[in-house]
Amino acid sequence: EVQLLESGGGLVQPGGSLRLSCAASGFTFSSYAMSWVRQAPGKGLEWVSAISGSGGSTYYADSVKGRFTISRDNSKNTLYLQMNSLRAEDTAVYYCAKAYSSSFFHGMDVWGQGTTVTVSS
Amino acid sequence: QSALTQPASVSGSPGQSITISCTGTSSDVGGYNYVSWYQQHPGKAPKLMIYEVSNRPSGVSNRFSGSKSGNTASLTISGLQAEDEADYYCSSYTSSSTPHVVFGGGTKLTVL
Repeated sequence: EVQLLESGGGLVQPGGSLRLSCAASGFTFSSYAMSWVRQAPGKGLEWVSAISGSGGSTYYADSVKGRFTISRDNSKNTLYLQMNSLRAEDTAVYYCAKAYSSSFFHGMDVWGQGTTVTVSS
Repeated sequence: QSALTQPASVSGSPGQSITISCTGTSSDVGGYNYVSWYQQHPGKAPKLMIYEVSNRPSGVSNRFSGSKSGNTASLTISGLQAEDEADYYCSSYTSSSTPHVVFGGGTKLTVL
C-alpha cells in the first residue's frame, strides 16, 4: 500500500525552528518528486515547496523562501522540511504529497494525514 | 504568487450536474496543461480527482471530468451524490517568478 506518514509537528515560539519528516512506503521513492502543502486553520491549501526525485532541484513559495529548506534521503525513503524563523502565519497543517510523476507540477496523487504546526508564544 | 480564482460555493441537488470554475492567467492555467483538481472532506487530506486538465486517476469516478478554455479551467461533476459534498481546489503550474504550484481558494460544494 502506498503510504505517507508525517511527523515532527508541534508548538513552537515565533522565531523558532522545527523539522518535519515524511516517511514513504509502497512505491519507489526516488522516482517521484515530492511536495509540502499546508493549510492554515479554516483556510485553503497553499503549496509550500517541492523537490525532484534525485533531490537535485528544489522549489519554494515566496512566503517561505529563505526560511524553509526541503530535502530528502532516498536511502531512508524520507522527505524533510526544515522550518526556521517561524512566524504566526506559518501555523497550519502540513501535508507531504507524492507527485503523480517525476515532475512536481503534474498533480499530487498520494497525501499524508498531515502534521500540525502551531507558532505561538 | 496570486491564488487562482474559484467561486466560494456551489450547490446542486442529487442527480444534477454542477461545474466549478478556476480562473488564472496566461502564466498558469492558460499557459500550461498542468491543472489539477482535489477533493477534500472535513478533517481529511485532499484527494486528487483530475490531473493535467482532464485526466482521471485510477479509482476516481467517471462522474468527474475536467476541461480548460483559455485561462479558465473547469471541474464538472455529473449525477451528484451526497458523498460529493466537500471542498474542491484547483491547482496549476505557474512559471511566473520561479516555477511553482498555485492553488485556488477552494469551492464548497453543497448537495441539497
